[in-house]
Amino acid sequence: ETGVTQTPRHLVMGMTNKKSLKCEQHLGHNAMYWYKQSAKKPLELMFVYNFKEQTENNSVPSRFSPECPNSSHLFLHLHTLQPEDSALYLCASSQGSGAFGYTFGSGTRLTVV
Amino acid sequence: QQQVKQSPQSLIVQKGGISIINCAYENTAFDYFPWYQQFPGKGPALLIAIRPDVSEKKEGRFTISFNKSAKQFSLHIMDSQPGDSATYFCAASKVSGDMRFGAGTRLTVKP
Repeated sequence: ETGVTQTPRHLVMGMTNKKSLKCEQHLGHNAMYWYKQSAKKPLELMFVYNFKEQTENNSVPSRFSPECPNSSHLFLHLHTLQPEDSALYLCASSQGSGAFGYTFGSGTRLTVV
Repeated sequence: QQQVKQSPQSLIVQKGGISIINCAYENTAFDYFPWYQQFPGKGPALLIAIRPDVSEKKEGRFTISFNKSAKQFSLHIMDSQPGDSATYFCAASKVSGDMRFGAGTRLTVKP
């Protein structure tokens, strides 16, 4: 494992469902991130938490709701998603600002039907 | 708002050949230029990185070449192997933590 664990690995949900993605890092990092990865597009930063405080919300629709109870855990709560939200959702962590690199989890492959 | 442009989108190389992936950036305020490697079913993993005051960095078969005046940098994979088949992302970051990724290059190394 990379030190960043994401669950579940795969998720299929209907547009009216509510589900949550979970991320846990075992590296002692202070910052955690949610990224969206779609085919042939750059990684899209969604949210940044530093010492469990949200420091960035990159104009993400309110149907995505993050939660960071402590520096080791990060959640992404999902509700009333759209089919275009289907993607790989990656969690990452870093020490400091992350300028020198992130440690990514393996991602959750989300399919909205 | 893409600030890092990556090419080619896909690349096929014969085993033993040289793989070259190019990136160009727009914002001169970036402090660090990492490359990530992503295998299917895995998240990206930091592969190699360079600071803008260095023109080249080599780690094993992987070399980054950096041209500050042209605002371009590239990844060279020497003696490419089938196990190198993956998607490669270039990135540019600031010490403040602003990280911008390229769109990725899918590399296939044929045996």
